[in-house]
This record gives sequence, structure tokens and C-alpha cells, in this order.
Amino acid sequence: ETGVTQSPTHLIKTRGQQVTLRCSSQSGHNTVSWYQQALGQGPQFIFQYYREEENGRGNFPPRFSGLQFPNYSSELNVNALELDDSALYLCASSSRAGVDTQYFGPGTRLTVL
Amino acid sequence: GIQVEQSPPDLILQEGANSTLRCNFSDSVNNLQWFHQNPWGQLINLFYIPSGTKQNGRLSATTVATERYSLLYISSSQTTDSGVYFCAVAWRGGSEKLVFGKGTKLTVNP
Repeated sequence: ETGVTQSPTHLIKTRGQQVTLRCSSQSGHNTVSWYQQALGQGPQFIFQYYREEENGRGNFPPRFSGLQFPNYSSELNVNALELDDSALYLCASSSRAGVDTQYFGPGTRLTVL
Repeated sequence: GIQVEQSPPDLILQEGANSTLRCNFSDSVNNLQWFHQNPWGQLINLFYIPSGTKQNGRLSATTVATERYSLLYISSSQTTDSGVYFCAVAWRGGSEKLVFGKGTKLTVNP
């Protein structure tokens, strides 16, 4: 069974740029959730995708957007990067939205200069 | 939305000691998970425990859903147990997201 993978591991961008982060869900899982974790804080929910449709969104502006593909992998796109976007971005997959165990990938550490 | 509070925020132990971490939540939940975050940021699943008691080696957890709290027990702690422990819940009246507490930072000294 393949676990959740994320790419890239680390990324450095400058303010105003755009970034795309990628996540491959665990085999057999059709739900992907994205979280942002600032230094010293718990992860904060960005949004969730279930069978290629957005299935819930947290308190993040529209410049945070996502996609889920037919193979259930997912992308997180962030436009017009701000310094406060510097964080660890975590992807989690599960086999059923909400009530099932969520398994997390290793994360992408984004630094915005 | 639901509130999740973890205590204590910091805990320092000597190797071999036992500890109890607590998670209080403010509404009924249909998902509660405990995680250990290692120094590289990876969140490792410890328990999926919306109710009841589970054990895995030196770790065990109990959730009393009617009283809205969960406990994580670590026995005979080892230095490799160091890290941050998070409790996260998804609640019945909300969306499908996990809401995390602020975590308990555990340091186990040799």
C-alpha cells in the first residue's frame, strides 16, 4: 500500500509569485484535504476534495485554489504569494469524507521572501 | 465552530516516566484522531478514536464522547517519543474538516 506523497519537499518563492503544490493520495482513497501549518501552531484546514469536487473550505482567501484529478491526486495553487503564506503545507487522504481516518503526507515547506 | 483545547502545552519527562495528555472539545464529534508530529513535520497517526479505548504498545487512548474529552497515555516514555502531540476532531454539525488543537510539546530526556 502506497502512502501519501507530496512534492516538492521545500520551496522558496518571492512575494507576488504563484506556487503549485502536489499530493498523491494513498491507494484506495478518494478524498484529499489540504492544511496549512504556521510555525508553532496546529494545522489549519484549507479545503477538501471528494471525487474531484470541492467538499468544504476553511477560512482562506480565493487566491488559494485546488484541483483533484481522476486518479484522486490533488494540487494546491496559491496566487499572489504573501509573506504570511510561509508555512508547512500538509495533504491528507482518506477513504470517506469526514468520518474516516485521515493519513498525512510529509508536507511541503514553503518560504516566501 | 468547534473548539479544541489540549493540555498541558509543554511537558518534560525523564526517560521511563509515564504521562497523560488531555484533549477537550466543545461539541459532539464523529472523528477524533491523535497524531505525533516528528521534528521533520510528518504527522503520524496514533489513534482514530471518536469513542472508547484503544491500545497500541506503550500508547493508549480513551475518548469519553459524552463528556467531550480524550486522553492519550504514554507509558515508559523513550527519547523517541519527543515531539508535538496533536488532537484533531471533525464534528457532527460542521463540515468534513479536522480541527486541531494547539498541541502538547513533549520532551523526554535521557
